[in-house]
Amino acid sequence: KNQVEQSPQSLIILEGKNCTLQCNYTVSPFSNLRWYKQDTGRGPVSLTIMTFSENTKSNGRYTATLDADTKQSSLHITASQLSDSASYICVVSPTVGDNYGQNFVFGPGTRLSVLP
Amino acid sequence: GAGVSQSPSNKVTEKGKDVELRCDPISGHTALYWYRQSLGQGLEFLIYFQGNSAPDKSGLPSDRFSAERTGGSVSTLTIQRTQQEDSAVYLCASSPWTSKPAHEQYFGPGTRLTVT
Repeated sequence: KNQVEQSPQSLIILEGKNCTLQCNYTVSPFSNLRWYKQDTGRGPVSLTIMTFSENTKSNGRYTATLDADTKQSSLHITASQLSDSASYICVVSPTVGDNYGQNFVFGPGTRLSVLP
Repeated sequence: GAGVSQSPSNKVTEKGKDVELRCDPISGHTALYWYRQSLGQGLEFLIYFQGNSAPDKSGLPSDRFSAERTGGSVSTLTIQRTQQEDSAVYLCASSPWTSKPAHEQYFGPGTRLTVT
């Protein structure tokens, strides 16, 4: 069964600190992995998209890594800000070149709280 | 430009009533998705529209759920005879069709449905 697991479930850090969120998946065959940020009461917003041939991608203070062999990804946030408080969702697509909604397997998310 | 919009933002209804949720995708986007997000859960795929093709309804949980997309633009998700377990946030996303292997999804803010 295609599954995406994320850890930790929730995380509290102080402003200015770094943190790393984890994503493990059992999706096969693998096409791409996405990280989304979802603010409370808002829809998810894409941070990064990585295909199987990419092992790292950055978007400002966010850096995602991918190890397709171990089926693990991480999202590293540098110099956290209060506005980083949100849920971070890992999404894996098992079908190459396909846009079909049912083929996006969503993780449950990690709830990050950044405190002043 | 304008993003994906959804209405209403909040809907409270009594058990047994019908509800209609609306999604206005980004202009020109050919793909449209509906998802359901229950508290603390990952996004659950409901239905997918792509251009003039027959929609993929494989995620609809029961025959009380239906959706249509008129003129390839606006979509309406209808839930008949609502049940308390239908309470969730309903998210809509749209996506342009490109030749890239990973298609970007743009989410709306969601409609929070509460069935009392």
